[in-house]
Amino acid sequence: ETGVTQTPRHLVMGMTNKKSLKCEQHLGHNAMYWYKQSAKKPLELMFVYSLEERVENNSVPSRFSPECPNSSHLFLHLHTLQPEDSALYLCASSQDQAGATGELFFGEGSRLTVL
Amino acid sequence: DQQVKQNSPSLSVQEGRISILNCDYTNSMFDYFLWYKKYPAEGPTFLISISSIKDKNEDGRFTVFLNKSAKHLSLHIVPSQPGDSAVYFCAASRTGANNLFFGTGTRLTVIP
Repeated sequence: ETGVTQTPRHLVMGMTNKKSLKCEQHLGHNAMYWYKQSAKKPLELMFVYSLEERVENNSVPSRFSPECPNSSHLFLHLHTLQPEDSALYLCASSQDQAGATGELFFGEGSRLTVL
Repeated sequence: DQQVKQNSPSLSVQEGRISILNCDYTNSMFDYFLWYKKYPAEGPTFLISISSIKDKNEDGRFTVFLNKSAKHLSLHIVPSQPGDSAVYFCAASRTGANNLFFGTGTRLTVIP
């Protein structure tokens, strides 16, 4: 079982749909992250949760809504997305917050296509 | 504005030779730097890191060099192997921050 698991791996949705991305970490880490990777752009931090509390919201549009019900699970709820939101969404976890050690453990990503 | 830049989108190297991947940063507050490797259809995996109090860190075939005055770091892979073919991301952070700032990546191809 891999350390950080993301589902689904691929998602195609219309602009009026509501869907969710799920992330689960089996590493006993305290912090979880959502990153967005668009073509030819660096990974962009979206949200950070530390001990289930959101500690960073990096000016992300409200059509993206995170949820962290416990330290092992992280969701990204999607609604009324735009085609430019099509990207690879990566979940990551770390023992402490990124600034402490910098080492993040990433999932394999969820490839989202918005039609 | 990108705070971490990798200006070479791709690099091809012959097997057995040295691969040198470069990274520049603009924020002088960064004090921790990392390299991640990413294979297709997988998430990035941590490779090696360096603190700003050092100028070199070595782990097997991988060495990272930091030049703080130039705000530049590089990753050396010696000898390069075909299995090293991947996209390499440079990242930087500062103590107490929640974020890593990533570059756009360099695709390394090691030719057998």
